[in-house]
Amino acid sequence: DQQVKQNSPSLSVQEGRISILNCDYTNSMFDYFLWYKKYPAEGPTFLISISSIKDKNEDGRFTVFLNKSAKHLSLHIVPSQPGDSAVYFCAASGNQFYFGTGTSLTVIP
Amino acid sequence: DGGITQSPKYLFRKEGQNVTLSCEQNLNHDAMYWYRQDPGQGLRLIYYSQIVNDFQKGDIAEGYSVSREKKESFPLTVTSAQKNPTAFYLCASSIDYGRYEQYFGPGTRLTVT
Repeated sequence: DQQVKQNSPSLSVQEGRISILNCDYTNSMFDYFLWYKKYPAEGPTFLISISSIKDKNEDGRFTVFLNKSAKHLSLHIVPSQPGDSAVYFCAASGNQFYFGTGTSLTVIP
Repeated sequence: DGGITQSPKYLFRKEGQNVTLSCEQNLNHDAMYWYRQDPGQGLRLIYYSQIVNDFQKGDIAEGYSVSREKKESFPLTVTSAQKNPTAFYLCASSIDYGRYEQYFGPGTRLTVT
């Protein structure tokens, strides 16, 4: 059973606009969450993380929001750039990491 | 230039043959991991190692074996017992096991025919 879910397999956004990628999890014991970015035929690269004691973490154009009561996190990218086009995985950690299925983001110039 | 290397990038094997995928890291990380990615699925954990000479099964360990004789190396053997071995395999490491960012290698695409 998938413990981390990304229900949108793909997302298209105009350059300069905001991209919002969503992730839901089922296990309330998860206490650390991460987002990874992946280009085709490459390994994922770490993007940003958030601990369960916070509800927001920001790094440049990337902000992750955590809603523990809803078991939901989201990644905001603003402004979106064509180089952001990639697959984005969320991951949640309890005693091991569980990854979502990924959302393919396309930023249209 | 620290990082994780996986070789080869593409690997082809005949059904019934064992094959070993290489993973090396020079990040001085204690923990290492092997994941498998299939189309439309997230990364699934095959095996992990918290420290040298130790390794544990992940969610989908059947048909796979690993060793951790050196801190920097964590090879994965895909045996003939693995029913569906064709996949993209990713190796990762982290400074310690648990709530730490994992750094991934470039992956190996294994095709078994």
